[in-house]
Amino acid sequence: DTAVSQTPKYLVTQMGNDKSIKCEQNLGHDTMYWYKQDSKKFLKIMFSYNNKELIINETVPNRFSPKSPDKAHLNLHINSLELGDSAVYFCASSPIRSRHGYTFGSGTRLTVV
Amino acid sequence: GDSVTQMEGPVTLSEEAFLTINCTYTATGYPSLFWYVQYPGEGLQLLLKATKADDKGSNKGFEATYRKETTSFHLEKGSVQVSDSAVYFCALSDNSGSRLTFGEGTQLTVNP
Repeated sequence: DTAVSQTPKYLVTQMGNDKSIKCEQNLGHDTMYWYKQDSKKFLKIMFSYNNKELIINETVPNRFSPKSPDKAHLNLHINSLELGDSAVYFCASSPIRSRHGYTFGSGTRLTVV
Repeated sequence: GDSVTQMEGPVTLSEEAFLTINCTYTATGYPSLFWYVQYPGEGLQLLLKATKADDKGSNKGFEATYRKETTSFHLEKGSVQVSDSAVYFCALSDNSGSRLTFGEGTQLTVNP
């Protein structure tokens, strides 16, 4: 069983489209995250949810909207996709306010053409 | 804010060579420190961690010691293998544990 699973693994879409990436964790963790990895491999946090409540919202365009229907799921919806949104998006989870690290999904490679 | 600085890559070594990847950090209080590894086409895996000063994290032959006096957490391995080729990320978690801040990543290539 995959601990943190993301779908799809690859996503190719045209500019202006709306798309969603799904994430599910079966670890019983309270907190989930979305990170963006750019072409230079740099990782930056986008959002963090704790028990369905948004606790971190970095400087991300409001075209990006996370949704957490329950504490095991954190989906990322992106409206009006732009070329610059092309990146790898990672979902992660951890116990609440964990100082012991996160468990990451395998990533979703988004390519906007 | 918190920040992590890693040595610039890429790093290319021959098999069985000694590896050091430098990592320094800036943070208030007492962060936890981590090394993550990303193999080609995969997600990030936790390699090792240390949660307080002078702790040594170790796993799969890799080691790193939390040095508060030098604000460093350098990654070392005595004898690298081709299978160690990957991108290595140093990271810290703040006091609240609410976010993980990453360094820029260091690409390691080990040649046979």
